[in-house]
Amino acid sequence: GESVGLHLPTLSVQEGDNSIINCAYSNSASDYFIWYKQESGKGPQFIIDIRSNMDKRQGQRVTVLLNKTVKHLSLQIAATQPGDSAVYFCAEGIGTASKLTFGTGTRLQVTL
Amino acid sequence: SAVISQKPSRDICQRGTSLTIQCQVDSQVTMMFWYRQQPGQSLTLIATANQGSEATYESGFVIDKFPISRPNLTFSTLTVSNMSPEDSSIYLCSAWDRASYGYTFGSGTRLTVV
Repeated sequence: GESVGLHLPTLSVQEGDNSIINCAYSNSASDYFIWYKQESGKGPQFIIDIRSNMDKRQGQRVTVLLNKTVKHLSLQIAATQPGDSAVYFCAEGIGTASKLTFGTGTRLQVTL
Repeated sequence: SAVISQKPSRDICQRGTSLTIQCQVDSQVTMMFWYRQQPGQSLTLIATANQGSEATYESGFVIDKFPISRPNLTFSTLTVSNMSPEDSSIYLCSAWDRASYGYTFGSGTRLTVV
């Protein structure tokens, strides 16, 4: 497959454990934040999003936390599975349908 | 949500030549975006393409090098012109899908310039 995330920071977790991936965003004016998952050879896949009027949002096995004071975003994955192994990116935007700025990314490696 | 078909999926090109990448969306979208993802790195926005207007380029990217077309609400192309090995990268298109109120991405074009 294609090589994505070769030089990115790596988080290794055991199958069944919870994962926490962090992201520092850059623009205090950003009001829309998205987490993407990217597997080798594929485009980014939407996981969950959050708007700046919230500080927490939950999905299926995933939770996003937003701390606007320190411009920090985190993605929590519960009961991590081998299929969760991928590169994860946060992205920030202003308003709706605007351009996105992507964070540096984290490679999640799930060990058995 | 909208589905984007991007082609080619990969190509190996000679330096000095040009490659045009196509993205076809299965529904009408107003905003489309082109990104570059260099090996092991994150996505960097090249330009925003709206139908009926010139593309808006980000700092460090120019129209002569990366001309973009947006002839209708379902299609866009990005050309990588006069290629050099430094242009070797993955190029991705994206669209804002009003129906799903989110962004969708093509699967990317892996370009190698030799």
